[in-house]
Amino acid sequence: VQLQESGPGLVKPSETLSLTCTVSGDSISSYSWIWIRQPPWKGLEWIGFISNSGSANHNPSLKSRVTTLADTSKNQFFLKLTSVTAADTALYYCARARRDSSGYYYFDNWGQGILVTVSS
Amino acid sequence: SYVLTQPPSVSVAPGQTARITCEGNDIGIKSVHWYQQKPGQAPLLVVFDDTDRPSGIPERFSGSNSVNTATLTISRVEAGDEADYYCQVWYSRSDHRVFGGGTKLTVL
Repeated sequence: VQLQESGPGLVKPSETLSLTCTVSGDSISSYSWIWIRQPPWKGLEWIGFISNSGSANHNPSLKSRVTTLADTSKNQFFLKLTSVTAADTALYYCARARRDSSGYYYFDNWGQGILVTVSS
Repeated sequence: SYVLTQPPSVSVAPGQTARITCEGNDIGIKSVHWYQQKPGQAPLLVVFDDTDRPSGIPERFSGSNSVNTATLTISRVEAGDEADYYCQVWYSRSDHRVFGGGTKLTVL
């Protein structure tokens, strides 16, 4: 399976960041998927998650600014992050989520990432 | 929210064993996963479910998890193992879905 992020690399403050993850080699209906970001020189933070049944949830630290959607006909899933600030500048990754032995998730396939800068 | 604590850095000589810890309250009851990230690359899963390795990951990488500490052990360390390593758990509560802060492994 391969994942490829796409979208604008520059977003103005207060606007909405929109990214697409295109999946090839597997059907997105078969797995769950996640968006993860990494600010420059910092660690990893999960943003939004969408299950194979279509239910979505987000990191509570982002206070409902996040929407994660999927389009099975295009084998793509999407991230929308509203009201962005400079703190949202990061490398954004999409990844495939697999069930672990506890019934929860780990991430076994990642896209290469896309750098999104928030600046006027 | 749940916190996973990793040492910022670990240094080891080639051929020696590196141990990277991940501390969390009752982490022993959760499944812990580990990722390796080299500069300019996406993270790579190296251990899942505490102890299992994906195909293609050398046997030199192993994991353990007990009580409040999970550990990634890299035996016979090579220069190519130099990277940042992150632990990760996912649980029912949204605020228990976290990555550790990461550990930079330096091969001396």
